[in-house]
Amino acid sequence: EDQVTQSPEALRLQEGESSSLNCSYTVSGLRGLFWYRQDPGKGPEFLFTLYSAGEEKEKERLKATLTKKESFLHITAPKPEDSATYLCAVPIYNTDKLIFGTGTRLQVFP
Amino acid sequence: DVKVTQSSRYLVKRTGEKVFLECVQDMDHENMFWYRQDPGLGLRLIYFSYDVKMKEKGDIPEGYSVSREKKERFSLILESASTNQTSMYLCASSYGTTGQETQYFGPGTRLLVL
Repeated sequence: EDQVTQSPEALRLQEGESSSLNCSYTVSGLRGLFWYRQDPGKGPEFLFTLYSAGEEKEKERLKATLTKKESFLHITAPKPEDSATYLCAVPIYNTDKLIFGTGTRLQVFP
Repeated sequence: DVKVTQSSRYLVKRTGEKVFLECVQDMDHENMFWYRQDPGLGLRLIYFSYDVKMKEKGDIPEGYSVSREKKERFSLILESASTNQTSMYLCASSYGTTGQETQYFGPGTRLLVL
């Protein structure tokens, strides 16, 4: 059965304290992995798509990496404005549907 | 920029009412999706549509129906609202049929059923 698991559920960081969020998946024939950011009460905002193991993408303080079994979202020197829930998702084989993880709620304190 | 809009940010309805949630996208996307999001359960797919007048059930279609009469508009209908349908409803759209296309989300509608 296709599954996406994110860890930790919640993460509290001091401003400037770098860390990583994990997204592990089991799907038939990975065709991509998506990262989203979601602020409270708002819809998810697209961050990155990774298509193959070894691929990396960066945006400001965020860097996403992909292996054959998991993806990491590395946050370097985070700021309070990086506080949000980060979601990952993978396509279900042979469909246009995504399966989402339950997210990591990140809080960055000044 | 892709823009997905939803008709309401907040709605309060009574049990048994018929509720319409509307979603419009401006990027000529083929696919449109309706999700609900609940704490601890993540995003769950209710229905999706891959073309005008075409629809497919998602993981939790019970109690819901959808309508797609025009390519840019996808409506979610709660035939008889119940308190367990209180939730955040999110619409999304994506281009194409490769299964690798990014889904873009609207701002969400927070529905409270009393």
